[in-house]
Amino acid sequence: AQTVTQSQPEMSVQEAETVTLSCTYDTSESDYYLFWYKQPPSRQMILVIRQEAYKQQNATENRFSVNFQKAAKSFSLKISDSQLGDAAMYFCARFTYQGAQKLVFGQGTRLTINP
Amino acid sequence: DGGITQSPKYLFRKEGQNVTLSCEQNLNHDAMYWYRQDPGQGLRLIYYSQIVNDFQKGDIAEGYSVSREKKESFPLTVTSAQKNPTAFYLCASSINSTPAKPQHFGDGTRLSIL
Repeated sequence: AQTVTQSQPEMSVQEAETVTLSCTYDTSESDYYLFWYKQPPSRQMILVIRQEAYKQQNATENRFSVNFQKAAKSFSLKISDSQLGDAAMYFCARFTYQGAQKLVFGQGTRLTINP
Repeated sequence: DGGITQSPKYLFRKEGQNVTLSCEQNLNHDAMYWYRQDPGQGLRLIYYSQIVNDFQKGDIAEGYSVSREKKESFPLTVTSAQKNPTAFYLCASSINSTPAKPQHFGDGTRLSIL
């Protein structure tokens, strides 16, 4: 099965603090890409960060970083210094070459920022 | 500004009616995609096109049809055969269909049944 699982339907964090969103996936491929997308109330999907599986170094984009554990098939997103504008649905996704070349998305985690 | 334009923002369908959702991009991207999003769920791929005049089925293509006659346009038709069409539909494009090139998304169309 080519599944992506986000086990936290909802998370909340105090403004300026750090929060980690979890994601696990299933794959038999050795090389693949992983993504975190943000969907604010406007519903547009915005790419947050991307990780290439063959790179051992964790990707970082400003306040956003990932903890990529390839053996455990885990890909968590850490948001540092949380801001009110970070409130959104966050989706983990994996690109697969098997069958239709496509992104496979998790169910999403709704992140609330408390002022 | 370059981007992806989806229209209309809201669409209502009567029983037995076909409706078409528009997706236009001016990013000069070769690949285009249609996703469906249901409440509390992630996106699921309906159809995708890697190049003009070519398209492939995704995971949930039944009841939908597409065309790719122009590079910038990838309309999605929701046919009467789609018995549960109420959902949020997102169009995306990328330079090509490889994962190294991220997908850019439109603002979506919400389809409801009258």
